[in-house]
Amino acid sequence: DSGVTQTPKHLITATGQRVTLRCSPRSGDLSVYWYQQSLDQGLQFLIQYYNGEERAKGNILERFSAQQFPDLHSELNLSSLELGDSALYFCASSAYSYEQYFGPGTRLTVT
Amino acid sequence: DQQVKQNSPSLSVQEGRISILNCDYTNSMFDYFLWYKKYPAEGPTFLISISSIKDKNEDGRFTVFLNKSAKHLSLHIVPSQPGDSAVYFCAASVGGAQKLVFGQGTRLTINP
Repeated sequence: DSGVTQTPKHLITATGQRVTLRCSPRSGDLSVYWYQQSLDQGLQFLIQYYNGEERAKGNILERFSAQQFPDLHSELNLSSLELGDSALYFCASSAYSYEQYFGPGTRLTVT
Repeated sequence: DQQVKQNSPSLSVQEGRISILNCDYTNSMFDYFLWYKKYPAEGPTFLISISSIKDKNEDGRFTVFLNKSAKHLSLHIVPSQPGDSAVYFCAASVGGAQKLVFGQGTRLTINP
């Protein structure tokens, strides 16, 4: 158990809809990262927050947004969903170090 | 532009033998490298890492080697055990608390 929690575990929704994925980092970790893993793909970095502020952006679509709250949990919002958004979404957290610890992921299926 | 590459999608090794997983990178700014193990329906689990100032790091059955001139790193698992069967990802970063750039993964199967 990495100490990072993600909810929900599975999510099935229709095209055009909006969903919110939630992540609670390990106790004390200030950095939260979001990654996407599509079918047979490696993990692609989406966005990083550090202590409530956006720190870095990767290949994140404009339809996607995220935030980190004062209690350090983070939410990833995906809107106007398309079939191609179906993927595993992982959250990771770290202290000020190189190692990131991943949650169990949310599997999103868009139908 | 794939900055971290794992050219072997799969590897099969007999139990008790050595497993060697390889990874190549192109970005010379990377200064930290990590290996993660992933089981189906779970998140990646951190295994072992190495700083660019070292060429070897060991942790139990796992050893990571870094060849900076060749921009190549490898993970050695010895002896291999059935529980090692999983997908292994190498990852790299520039600086601490920065995004990780992942390879595509290598599926390791340990045969009894």
